Amino acid sequence: GQNIDQPTEMTATEGAIVQINCTYQTSGFNGLFWYQQHAGEAPTFLSYNVLDGLEEKGRFSSFLSRSKGYSYLLLKELQMKDSASYLCAVMDSNYQLIWGAGTKLIIKP
Amino acid sequence: GAGVSQSPRYKVTKRGQDVALRCDPISGHVSLYWYRQALGQGPEFLTYFNYEAQQDKSGLPNDRFSAERPEGSISTLTIQRTEQRDSAMYRCASSSGDRASPDTQYFGPGTRLTVL
Repeated sequence: GQNIDQPTEMTATEGAIVQINCTYQTSGFNGLFWYQQHAGEAPTFLSYNVLDGLEEKGRFSSFLSRSKGYSYLLLKELQMKDSASYLCAVMDSNYQLIWGAGTKLIIKP
Repeated sequence: GAGVSQSPRYKVTKRGQDVALRCDPISGHVSLYWYRQALGQGPEFLTYFNYEAQQDKSGLPNDRFSAERPEGSISTLTIQRTEQRDSAMYRCASSSGDRASPDTQYFGPGTRLTVL
């Protein structure tokens, strides 16, 4: 079966750095996405990785290792508004997005 | 419109009734997806349209669920003879390219369906 694993919940302090991990086992791989979802709102796109390595976009970076079936999302200089769920999704060989359950990130002042 | 819209935002119905959920994607977007999302979970794929063609319906739970996109724009997800287990947030998303392209999926606000 196909599986995406990410921690259920993480807590971090405002101004700090946090790394949210995602491991996956899917039938094929056509890219990995990270989405942010604030409570009661729709998911919004953060990043896309298809090749190994680090993609940096402002305070957010995303890393991929295809051989290890592993990705992480790195958030720097945390702000209170970063409190949200972060969803990892993998596009499989049928170009269907397989979604993780999300990691709820709690930011404390 | 500027984004994906869905209606109604909330729907309460009695078990056994049929419901129709509407999605209006971003203008010009080729791909349209329907998802179901339970609280505290990621979206669960239901079906995919490329223009008006329903190219993947592998995620539809059973034959009570159907969807259409007759003119390649607005889509309707219909649930017949609703059951309490159908209660969930139903989300629609659209993207500019076809499914094989890594385009961002833009999600609508969702329809919260409650079956009593």
